[in-house]
Amino acid sequence: NAGVTQTPKFRILKIGQSMTLQCAQDMNHNYMYWYRQDPGMGLKLIYYSVGAGITDKGEVPNGYNVSRSTTEDFPLRLELAAPSQTSVYFCASRRDSQETQYFGPGTRLLVL
Amino acid sequence: QKEVEQNSGPLSVPEGAIASLNCTYSDRVSQSFFWYRQYSGKSPELIMSIYSNGDKEDGRFTAQLNKASQYVSLLIRDSQPSDSATYLCAVRGNTDKLIFGTGTRLQVFP
Repeated sequence: NAGVTQTPKFRILKIGQSMTLQCAQDMNHNYMYWYRQDPGMGLKLIYYSVGAGITDKGEVPNGYNVSRSTTEDFPLRLELAAPSQTSVYFCASRRDSQETQYFGPGTRLLVL
Repeated sequence: QKEVEQNSGPLSVPEGAIASLNCTYSDRVSQSFFWYRQYSGKSPELIMSIYSNGDKEDGRFTAQLNKASQYVSLLIRDSQPSDSATYLCAVRGNTDKLIFGTGTRLQVFP
C-alpha cells in the first residue's frame, strides 16, 4: 500500500492563479480530510468527506473547493490564489470504524 | 468556537527524564482525544488515543484524561533525543471533525 499520496510536493503560485492539489489513498477509506498548517500553528480543517459524492465544510473553507467522485481521490481546488493561502496542506484519511487518521506527506504552497 | 489549547514551548528536558505535555479543551461534549507527533517538515503521526478518564499506557508513553477538568496530558518516560518533535493534541466532539491545538515543541538534549 502506498497509503496517502499528495502531489505536488511544492508549488509557487502567482496571486490570482488557480491550481488543484491532488490527494489519493489506496486503503479504501471512506473518510478523507484536507487541512492547512501555517508556520508554528496546528492544523485547520478546510473540507472533509465521509464518502464518494459527500463533502462538507470545515473551519476554514473560504477560497477552496473540493469534489469526491471516487473513494480513492479527494482533490482540493484553489480558484484565485491569495498570499493568505500560503501554507502546508495535508490530506488525511481514515476507516469508518477507526478514528486514526493517516496523513499524506503534505504540499507546500507559496503564493506570491 | 471550540478550542484546544497547548503551551507552544519549547519544553526542554534532559535525556532520560520524563517529559510532560499538557492540553486543555473547551467543548464539554468532546469524546475522543489524540496525541500526534510531528517531526520538522514531516506529516503528523498518531502516537496515542484515549477515550475514557484515567491513564492509558503504551511503551514509554502515557496519556492521561480528566474530562471533569477538560484536561488531557501526555507523559514520555526515559525521553530520547529522537523524541524531539512537536506534539499536537487533537480532540473530537460529537462530529467527524478533529480540532487540533497549536502544538508543543519538545527538545530532548543529551
